[in-house]
Amino acid sequence: AQSVTQLGSHVSVSEGALVLLRCNYSSSVPPYLFWYVQYPNQGLQLLLKYTSAATLVKGINGFEAEFKKSETSFHLTKPSAHMSDAAEYFCAVSGGTGGFKTIFGAGTRLFVKA
Amino acid sequence: DTAVSQTPKYLVTQMGNDKSIKCEQNLGHDTMYWYKQDSKKFLKIMFSYNNKELIINETVPNRFSPKSPDKAHLNLHINSLELGDSAVYFCASSPPGTPVKTQYFGPGTRLLVL
Repeated sequence: AQSVTQLGSHVSVSEGALVLLRCNYSSSVPPYLFWYVQYPNQGLQLLLKYTSAATLVKGINGFEAEFKKSETSFHLTKPSAHMSDAAEYFCAVSGGTGGFKTIFGAGTRLFVKA
Repeated sequence: DTAVSQTPKYLVTQMGNDKSIKCEQNLGHDTMYWYKQDSKKFLKIMFSYNNKELIINETVPNRFSPKSPDKAHLNLHINSLELGDSAVYFCASSPPGTPVKTQYFGPGTRLLVL
């Protein structure tokens, strides 16, 4: 069965600092991996996705994530945090034996301090 | 030009009532989903339809019944509402022709059962 674990339910960074949100997955076959962002009172929107084409994936708003099979990780990073990055971030896995189903992590709330 | 829309946006009702939430997408997608997000932001899939056929039916009380009249619509009817049904319900859709099921979310329906 597939699963995804996000380490840290809350992450706080200063404006301009590096953002690192951690995600580890469990899957018996190479999965598809996603990061979604949810701003307050809104639905989720896709930040980026890994589909086996390239291990370093660039997304919107300056975010990127690196797929590391040896570590079963797909951590999300951004070199310099902006106040507007404050939101809830979800890592998700799908494909393989999971079929159509997408499994979401519990989410990480990012706080950005001025 | 809203992609995935849900109505109503807010729903406040008494325990025991029956209510429906409607979802429509104009993206030409063939797969649609209902998710429940609880107060801790945990996102759980409830149902998924592909070309009007039910393909995912998670452990959800029988009081919840999805209906897909066509590929562009997926409605959710809830009978005998309970306090624990209070949550945000998200509709989502994903495109055909690829195993990489990027999901496009609606804005959510905030249900409060009193």
